[in-house]
Amino acid sequence: EDQVTQSPEALRLQEGESSSLNCSYTVSGLRGLFWYRQDPGKGPEFLFTLYSAGEEKEKERLKATLTKKESFLHITAPKPEDSATYLCAVQGVISSGSARQLTFGSGTQLTVLP
Amino acid sequence: EAQVTQNPRYLITVTGKKLTVTCSQNMNHEYMSWYRQDPGLGLRQIYYSMNVEVTDKGDVPEGYKVSRKEKRNFPLILESPSPNQTSLYFCASRWTGYTGELFFGEGSRLTVL
Repeated sequence: EDQVTQSPEALRLQEGESSSLNCSYTVSGLRGLFWYRQDPGKGPEFLFTLYSAGEEKEKERLKATLTKKESFLHITAPKPEDSATYLCAVQGVISSGSARQLTFGSGTQLTVLP
Repeated sequence: EAQVTQNPRYLITVTGKKLTVTCSQNMNHEYMSWYRQDPGLGLRQIYYSMNVEVTDKGDVPEGYKVSRKEKRNFPLILESPSPNQTSLYFCASRWTGYTGELFFGEGSRLTVL
């Protein structure tokens, strides 16, 4: 069974204070690791897909990295508009080679204070 | 505008009163899925559909039904709702060949009294 654990559950930062969110996972054959952003009252919005250890993706102040056991979402010089819940999900592979359904973590609620 | 539309957005109902949450997407996606989101538990998959007339159970299917008679629509049916089905529900869709980006609806908050 695929498992995803995100930490911390909540994080408060001052504007400009860089930090990282963690996503630890166990999966039988990684097809992909995904990061989503969720604003209050909204559905999750796709950010990144990472496929293999060592891969990195960037978008504005966000940078996602991947190792064989965890992924980090680095936030550089955050702004109040970066406040949201960030969700991590993994997709494993069944023995036949088919992809499993996504397994989501519980998310990290990020608050960036002005 | 590409979107996934859910209705109703908010609903308060009573135990045992059948209800349907509709989901429609305008992106011609083959794959559609329903999730429920509960505090501390994250998003959990209820049912998914790889294409028209093809549906399968997710991790928490008990008490729910789905149907996929048209490509764009994927309704979630609660035949006899119970209080433990009080939750925030999301519909999502994507192309089959691309497993990455799921497009989510804005959610339906359901309260069962």
